[in-house]
Amino acid sequence: DAGVTQSPTHLIKTRGQQVTLRCSPKSGHDTVSWYQQALGQGPQFIFQYYEEEERQRGNFPDRFSGHQFPNYSSELNVNALLLGDSALYLCASSLAETGFKMNTEAFFGQGTRLTVV
Amino acid sequence: AQSVTQLDSHVSVSEGTPVLLRCNYSSSYSPSLFWYVQHPNKGLQLLLKYTSAATLVKGINGFEAEFKKSETSFHLTKPSAHMSDAAEYFCVVSGEGGATNKLIFGTGTLLAVQP
Repeated sequence: DAGVTQSPTHLIKTRGQQVTLRCSPKSGHDTVSWYQQALGQGPQFIFQYYEEEERQRGNFPDRFSGHQFPNYSSELNVNALLLGDSALYLCASSLAETGFKMNTEAFFGQGTRLTVV
Repeated sequence: AQSVTQLDSHVSVSEGTPVLLRCNYSSSYSPSLFWYVQHPNKGLQLLLKYTSAATLVKGINGFEAEFKKSETSFHLTKPSAHMSDAAEYFCVVSGEGGATNKLIFGTGTLLAVQP
């Protein structure tokens, strides 16, 4: 089991550009969440995707958007990059909790380090 | 709203001595609580989780934590530190709706282990 895989591992972009980050969830997982971890801080929730729809969203502007594909993989897109978007972007996968699937665990990938210059 | 406060940004211990990393939480409902560890240039790894079962939770690598509702605390402990425990530790509370929805992280505690 490859676990959660993210690509690329590192990325350098210029202010104003657009970026796409990719995530493949752990085998058997159907839910993907994205987090932003600025240097020296804890990760902050961006949004969560389930059944190809955004299910929850944190306090991030509309420049941050996402997508989930039928195979449960996901993309995070950031438009009009700002210097402040420089961070480690983490993807987490889990099983959606239903009446018979409770208390599941979120598994994290190693992240994509985005530097905006 | 849910939140967590990690009371120490840095903790330094000697190898073989006990570890205590402190966390207080705030939640308007019965939360799920977690401790994650992050080694340099690596992803987050779950150490342990509390999800309304036993209040004393045992995790990996000898770590454990006790959920104390009256004190709104979820402190992480280990009887004897190892050099490999040096890392950043995050206390996490789940958002409303489930244990894996909108995890809310503390600001982290950097644990240093001296030889």
